Amino acid sequence: GQQVMQIPQYQHVQEGEDFTTYCNSSTTLSNIQWYKQRPGGHPVFLIQLVKSGEVKKQKRLTFQFGEAKKNSSLHITATQTTDVGTYFCAGRVLLEANAGKSTFGDGTTLTVKP
Amino acid sequence: TAGITQAPTSQILAAGRSMTLRCTQDMRHNAMYWYRQDLGLGLRLIHYSNTAGTTGKGEVPDGYSVSRANTDDFPLTLASAVPSQTSVYFCASSLDGAYNEQFFGPGTRLTVL
Repeated sequence: GQQVMQIPQYQHVQEGEDFTTYCNSSTTLSNIQWYKQRPGGHPVFLIQLVKSGEVKKQKRLTFQFGEAKKNSSLHITATQTTDVGTYFCAGRVLLEANAGKSTFGDGTTLTVKP
Repeated sequence: TAGITQAPTSQILAAGRSMTLRCTQDMRHNAMYWYRQDLGLGLRLIHYSNTAGTTGKGEVPDGYSVSRANTDDFPLTLASAVPSQTSVYFCASSLDGAYNEQFFGPGTRLTVL
């Protein structure tokens, strides 16, 4: 079945340093979504990438989708303490026109030292 | 608006007992999902439903069943709980099952002893 690998599992940074998490799928994806989960909370949607080679930015966050639509990355510039949490990618394959299944990576847990 | 709600918030259950976790959304989303999240791991899909009246199996469906009698509700039933089902269970919904973001409920923390 479809597998989605995410690395690293943990990342500890000093406030102000950059952070990157990588996501790799065993199969070609129709789209990929990124979620953030704060400690004790539930996952919250950040962004979706659909097109091959797509790059999207949200303030200090930059998301990329690979040309082959099998990998993706999230880069945070100049981390802040508010960035703490676990970042998950979710790779989706279509089953039919309006239906699909997502496979989540195991997440990267980011801690930021002030 | 409530969005998506789950009940109970937490539960301790004796092994062998049955239990139904409830999930309700008021966003008129077509697709709904059940995930389990074990400590330090990602979310694993248990069952999903792309529209009322249909359901499908996810990555880890054994020991769980679901139904989707209407658009709003998507209950998850454990027929005979085992300790390995101790986990945090998240229900989610999306407008459709293809390209829309998933909205997650607050989760149910289940402990099976």
